[in-house]
Amino acid sequence: QKEVEQNSGPLSVPEGAIASLNCTYSDRGSQSFFWYRQYSGKSPELIMFIYSNGDKEDGRFTAQLNKASQYVSLLIRDSQPSDSATYLCAGYAGGTSYGKLTFGQGTILTVHP
Amino acid sequence: NAGVMQNPRHLVRRRGQEARLRCSPMKGHSHVYWYRQLPEEGLKFMVYLQKENIIDESGMPKERFSAEFPKEGPSILRIQQVVRGDSAAYFCASSEPGLAGRYSYEQYFGPGTRLTVT
Repeated sequence: QKEVEQNSGPLSVPEGAIASLNCTYSDRGSQSFFWYRQYSGKSPELIMFIYSNGDKEDGRFTAQLNKASQYVSLLIRDSQPSDSATYLCAGYAGGTSYGKLTFGQGTILTVHP
Repeated sequence: NAGVMQNPRHLVRRRGQEARLRCSPMKGHSHVYWYRQLPEEGLKFMVYLQKENIIDESGMPKERFSAEFPKEGPSILRIQQVVRGDSAAYFCASSEPGLAGRYSYEQYFGPGTRLTVT
């Protein structure tokens, strides 16, 4: 079983819509979660992080964490064509995992005009 | 804006040669992580270093790969006797230290080194 799983997509939404990206994790000890955006041929760019249950909002982005269900999501409101990228979910297990992040396979998002 | 720096950005090596990849962390960061992204695969953790210390190398292949972060200068990921399967994008990330192992500070990635083995 993969430690961090993402719905592989691809996900296609029209411009202006809400894009919903989902991620589940198997390690109940996971403490922190991060969402990265990666454009083709580029490096991952951190867009959101969340440590506590509930929602965290930053501009058009909302991260949601439910530790009981072992579920993390990212909502992108008012999606723009420039949001088209691969979105990576990553978890940190804490303890002896030190700084190691475990990444999901990524979800490809396409926002069409 | 002193972000994470990596060089070279592109590296071509023939089978059997050595590859040296360099990473300078973001200003104020003392922790460095190396990840590898194989074509059509996700990012995989390789090693986590602090100055003069390897903290976690659980993701490093057992042979040919080594990493260091000396007191002075950049972190180096070294691959000896490269093979075609080593062709990948190698990313370095840096962060502030975590809090007593419970939370991880955010990791910021460099532009990566794309290694091609011919």
